[in-house]
Order: sequence, then structure tokens, then C-alpha cells
Amino acid sequence: EDKVVQSPLSLVVHEGDTVTLNCSYEVTNFRSLLWYKQEKKAPTFLFMLTSSGIEKKSGRLSSILDKKELFSILNITATQTGDSAVYLCAVAGGNTPLVFGKGTRLSVIA
Amino acid sequence: ETGVTQTPRHLVMGMTNKKSLKCEQHLGHNAMYWYKQSAKKPLELMFVYSLEERVENNSVPSRFSPECPNSSHLFLHLHTLQPEDSALYLCASSRVFDSGNTIYFGEGSWLTVV
Repeated sequence: EDKVVQSPLSLVVHEGDTVTLNCSYEVTNFRSLLWYKQEKKAPTFLFMLTSSGIEKKSGRLSSILDKKELFSILNITATQTGDSAVYLCAVAGGNTPLVFGKGTRLSVIA
Repeated sequence: ETGVTQTPRHLVMGMTNKKSLKCEQHLGHNAMYWYKQSAKKPLELMFVYSLEERVENNSVPSRFSPECPNSSHLFLHLHTLQPEDSALYLCASSRVFDSGNTIYFGEGSWLTVV
């Protein structure tokens, strides 16, 4: 059975800190790994990763995939209160739809 | 504005009621999804429609009944729900039904069953 495990489940940091969120997975015929940010509404797409070792970057957020060790990390530098959200990791494999992890709830305090 | 619109945003219903959730996507996508999001649990896929044909049905109780009249609209009909069905129901769409594709979510319908 396909599985996605995110850690930590929750995290509290101060503004300006750097955080690393983890996502490990087991999936048959891996195709892609996606990160989403969910505030009190729709999850919004952040990154899609398909190749190992290639960092994707958007502003203060970056992500990288390790297909050998079956994990991905999402880094956020110089965190701001607006980064407070649940970060969801999802993996696509074979012909099945995305499998989601439980998410990491990040709280950034001023 | 995500391009995927859900109504109503909040719904409170009794266990004997019949109601429907509606989803509309303005992205020209051909696949639409219903997900259930409960506290402390991963997003659970309920149904997938591709080109208006149901392609996934993940053992969802029959009190949930989906309908996809065209590629832009998706409904979830609710009948005799239980309190444990209270959750956020998210609609999503993607260009095609392909597991590698990015999916785009609506803002969700918060459902409370009393």
C-alpha cells in the first residue's frame, strides 16, 4: 500500500528562523512528489518534483527530492508569520491518484 | 481565486437531511476529484471523474453519491449522514487524470452533521 509520512507533525518557530519539513514515502512506480501549502482554505500548489537532486526554489522556499532514500525536504528560510500553515506532501505512483501525508502544521510566531 | 469554486462553504445538516455540495472548475480541466479532510488524518480520496466518467471510488459509503454532468461541474449528494462524516470536503481538478499531474483545489465545504 502506498504511504506518505511527514515529520514533524507540528512545529513552532520564531520569525526569521529556518525550518526543514520532511516527507518520506513508499509508492509503487513513483512518478512525482508534490508539496502544497494549506492555510484555512484550499491547499495551494508549491512544487512538483520528479528528479533526484534537483532543487526547486521559489523565493524563500525550496525543495529537493532523493529518490534513492525515498524522501523529500521542504526548506523555508527567514520564516514570516504568513508562512504559518499546514504543509502537505503528496506522492503519485503508477496509475493511482495522489496519496497525501497528514501534513506538518507550522506556526511562526513574531 | 483558485479556479475551482465550491458551494456552499459551510453546511450544517441533520442526519435525516438530503443536501448536495457543488463544485465548478474554470480551468478547462478534464478530471475532477472529491477529497475528505478530517482532523489529524491525511486527505482521503473519495471519487475521481475523468471526462465525466467515474474512474475511482475508494470504498466510500453509499450515503455519499457523486455526480459529474460535464467536465466543469461535480456534485456530491449527501443523504442520511452520520456525525463522523463531519469534515472539510475538498473538490479538485487536473488537466487530465494522470497521477503525475498537479491538482488544483477548491476552498472546501465545511460540513457539520448534527
